[in-house]
Amino acid sequence: ILNVEQSPQSLHVQEGDSTNFTCSFPSSNFYALHWYRWETAKSPEALFVMTLNGDEKKKGRISATLNTKEGYSYLYIKGSQPEDSATYLCALYNQGGKLIFGQGTELSVKP
Amino acid sequence: SAVISQKPSRDICQRGTSLTIQCQVDSQVTMMFWYRQQPGQSLTLIATANQGSEATYESGFVIDKFPISRPNLTFSTLTVSNMSPEDSSIYLCSVEGGAGGNTIYFGEGSWLTVV
Repeated sequence: ILNVEQSPQSLHVQEGDSTNFTCSFPSSNFYALHWYRWETAKSPEALFVMTLNGDEKKKGRISATLNTKEGYSYLYIKGSQPEDSATYLCALYNQGGKLIFGQGTELSVKP
Repeated sequence: SAVISQKPSRDICQRGTSLTIQCQVDSQVTMMFWYRQQPGQSLTLIATANQGSEATYESGFVIDKFPISRPNLTFSTLTVSNMSPEDSSIYLCSVEGGAGGNTIYFGEGSWLTVV
């Protein structure tokens, strides 16, 4: 059974702080890793799709890295803003469209 | 990208009743996926719905409890049957899209509370 772990479960930071969280996954038979941002009452929003070991992707103040050999990915947020408050999900993607999700990291950014 | 509409967005249901969730996509897609997130748990895949064939269920989920319809390439329904409080969850439908087909788009979810 594939297991995707995220840490921490929740995080409270002040506006302007930079933060990061971790996604761990089995390194065997890797195909792709997805990061999503999920705000309450909205659809999960795709942030990154990462496929190659050593991948680094960036979207504005948010970036992510991938290490498929050791089975982890980091998500970084630089200069957190209150609008960054959401749950951040990572998921292993298998061919055929199936996603295996971690439990998410709930981020709260206080002004 | 794909735009996905789900109905209902939220409902409170009586124990023992059944509720059908609808998912409408703005483009034709081969596969649609149904996920569930119970409180404090991960988003978990219930089943894959293919047009013209029976849905494929993941371990722990059965057709009698979660019957799925897929009458055409833009629409699917998930029924949660004979509900109990343990079925209180967010139910999400999703489709595959994007370049290379490896981006997943989600609906806004249906928040069900069973009392």
